[in-house]
This record gives sequence, structure tokens and C-alpha cells, in this order.
Amino acid sequence: GAVVSQHPSRVICKSGTSVKIECRSLDFQATTMFWYRQFPKQSLMLMATSNEGSKATYEQGVEKDKFLINHASLTLSTLTVTSAHPEDSSFYICSAPHEGATQYFGPGTRLLVL
Amino acid sequence: AQSVSQHNHHVILSEAASLELGCNYSYGGTVNLFWYVQYPGQHLQLLLKYFSGDPLVKGIKGFEAEFIKSKFSFNLRKPSVQWSDTAEYFCAVNAVKNGGFKTIFGAGTRLFVKA
Repeated sequence: GAVVSQHPSRVICKSGTSVKIECRSLDFQATTMFWYRQFPKQSLMLMATSNEGSKATYEQGVEKDKFLINHASLTLSTLTVTSAHPEDSSFYICSAPHEGATQYFGPGTRLLVL
Repeated sequence: AQSVSQHNHHVILSEAASLELGCNYSYGGTVNLFWYVQYPGQHLQLLLKYFSGDPLVKGIKGFEAEFIKSKFSFNLRKPSVQWSDTAEYFCAVNAVKNGGFKTIFGAGTRLFVKA
């Protein structure tokens, strides 16, 4: 089946530093990937759509300069949280569609900003 | 704007009880419908999906869901739950537009099955 990986699985950083999260589709190619944020006991909130070879599409209210997305290849998208602050602490999940519009999710990255 | 509403935030059942989780969406265009499950400590997995055809779809582990277009609903059902079904369940809708789509998730329903 389709597998999506994320790295790192968890990261702790100091306030003001930047953190990069990778999302890879391991056994299929994905021209589009999605980045979500999940707060405790809440649903997934779509942050942005990552497009291979073009700019990402951000949802309303998501700061483009804060959350930099780069879709470097057909199997890799990265999310960089720039100048992270404690309020950016969250669970970040990526997904990639395969076999049509079915999403396959990565295991998530837990970010803690001190 | 598109939205997905799940009726129950928490459900507690005993083993062998029947389950029905409600899901309604608001979007006037073409939709693809999904139920995802997140077991404790694991990532989201697809339970079942509806794209077209028979509105009653069957998924893994004995789950099924029925798409009722007139009610904008896609309720999840299982006749007899097991302790291992304890998880969080998310209804999701792909709002299809201009050759692309955007996935909107419901708030999730936490199911706890008592042994």
C-alpha cells in the first residue's frame, strides 16, 4: 500500500529557531501533498497544499512567511517553521493523495517550542 | 464555505453494542467522502470511502457507511463493536473543484468501547 513518512517524529527547539519537517511518499509519486496541524483533542486543520514545481497554496489565516513549504521533488515536501514560538507547538501531519483522491497520512511530527 | 459536522464528540459503548456516528457536510458541488480512524498512538488510517456508485459502502473491520445525498450525510455504522475499536474517528470530505480538491475534516468522535 501507499506509505508516507515524516521526519523527525518529534522535535524540541528554542524559541526563535527554525525547524524543518520532511514528508516523503515512499512508494508512489505525489505532485500534491497537504500539511495539517492538529491541536490536542481537535481535528486536523488544513494549513496548505504543497505543489511540486510551483508555489504552495495556503489556507486563510496561515502565514506564508512563517510556514515555508517547498515541494522539492515528486516524493518530498518540506515544511519549515521559521522563528518558532511556543504557540507554534503542535502536531503537524502531512498527507499525499494516491489512487485518486484518497489521502495517505504520515505519522506526524510533534513540535515543542520552549 | 465547506464544512463537516460530526454529531458526537465522545461515545462510550459496551462490547457488542451497535455503533452509528453521524456526519453531515455542507458543499453544493461534487464530493468524495471518507471516514478515517486514528487508534491510540497511531496515525490516521482510511476506514472507507465513497466516490460514486452504490451509496452503501463497506470498509475494513466490519464498518460501513451510507451516503444520503439529500441529507448531505455520510454516517458510519458497525453492528457490533469490539474493544479494539476504541479510537478516534474522523469524517472527511473532498470538495472537488476545478480539477482539484480540498479535504475538510470533521472535529472527530472519540469512541471508547468497554470490555
